[in-house]
Amino acid sequence: GAGVSQSPSNKVTEKGKDVELRCDPISGHTALYWYRQSLGQGLEFLIYFQGNSAPDKSGLPSDRFSAERTGGSVSTLTIQRTQQEDSAVYLCASSLGGGLSNQPQHFGDGTRLSIL
Amino acid sequence: QQPVQSPQAVILREGEDAVINCSSSKALYSVHWYRQKHGEAPVFLMILLKGGEQKGHDKISASFNEKKQQSSLYLTASQLSYSGTYFCGTEEPGAQKLVFGQGTRLTINP
Repeated sequence: GAGVSQSPSNKVTEKGKDVELRCDPISGHTALYWYRQSLGQGLEFLIYFQGNSAPDKSGLPSDRFSAERTGGSVSTLTIQRTQQEDSAVYLCASSLGGGLSNQPQHFGDGTRLSIL
Repeated sequence: QQPVQSPQAVILREGEDAVINCSSSKALYSVHWYRQKHGEAPVFLMILLKGGEQKGHDKISASFNEKKQQSSLYLTASQLSYSGTYFCGTEEPGAQKLVFGQGTRLTINP
């Protein structure tokens, strides 16, 4: 079946512009996660959705970052007034939900964001 | 708080064994292991729950010692396909999210 889909796969933009990244989770997955991965680094947690609500936004780096999820499905991560330090690969993952203990996360291929 | 993985990198010849460790300063509820090949998405390997369990998948197995807040991933008779970066993700009780380590880069040479 279809996996987690992210778009665009690559995004190059000028400093100061806003960008919107999209994630389509696996059908039926109620939990959705956003991570950021800088070059050669680990996965940095950004935000977690259960359905349309975000119980944990603690990883969002600043108020320039926001995310929403609608219809319990598609999620968008928006970065306003982009800075060069925002350059990274943004990964989305989904899982069946109901707790992490026995639910693997399925990752998309990510969006590679480059800020000039 | 981010778990600490060791070693940061390891180079093996095909057929050799490797152990990757993941250590946390926090009480843990579960530990997840993922492998990421260059330019690809992380792929799920296994989940270990508190209770000191061990799991195995082909020649890759893992253990979780909740008292020590440590998990280890064991790769035996490594194959070329095992190359990649291995990440542990730790779940604290009630957290509903994973905190990932910095990763261990494994290179398998013929």
